[in-house]
Amino acid sequence: RKEVEQDPGPFNVPEGATVAFNCTYSNSASQSFFWYRQDCRKEPKLLMSVYSSGNEDGRFTAQLNRASQYISLLIRDSKLSDSATYLCVVNGKGSQGNLIFGKGTKLSVKP
Amino acid sequence: GAGVSQSPRYKVTKRGQDVALRCDPISGHVSLYWYRQALGQGPEFLTYFNYEAQQDKSGLPNDRFSAERPEGSISTLTIQRTEQRDSAMYRCASSRRTGSPTEAFFGQGTRLTVV
Repeated sequence: RKEVEQDPGPFNVPEGATVAFNCTYSNSASQSFFWYRQDCRKEPKLLMSVYSSGNEDGRFTAQLNRASQYISLLIRDSKLSDSATYLCVVNGKGSQGNLIFGKGTKLSVKP
Repeated sequence: GAGVSQSPRYKVTKRGQDVALRCDPISGHVSLYWYRQALGQGPEFLTYFNYEAQQDKSGLPNDRFSAERPEGSISTLTIQRTEQRDSAMYRCASSRRTGSPTEAFFGQGTRLTVV
């Protein structure tokens, strides 16, 4: 099993839609969880950290289920500018300080 | 600038040559990470440092790849006897502290092409 797995998509949605991305991770000892966003030909940038209690930042909501080793990202009222690849990130096994990225889920928001 | 700086931005090299990729992290950042990213894929972990100590090199594909960060700041990723399959975007990131990782800031990457 890969350390971090995501549905690669692409997800093609109309403006205003709600879209959800899922991610599973293999290391039950992981303590740090993030969603990063990567625009085409750019470097990844932090979108939000994911906390055990779940957290929200405007239109974005992240959830963590430790028992199922599952992370989600919900985007409400999607905008054209949300089109990007969303990367699930978890600190890896064997060395708790490193960061392991999933392959990313591509989102395309259409007018 | 105050961000992570990588050089060169682009490197074309002939198969069999050695290359050295440089990363200058954000000043004061303790952790430094190296990743390799193929087109359409997420960043693949190679290695990381806390200060000058290499904490994990489990992601380095083989012994042609090595990395160092001798003074706990600038890091160099070296690929010896390059092969065409080494062609990729190499990304460096740094973060403020060790232990439970915090936000990692990425540089713009070095696009390596082996011909």
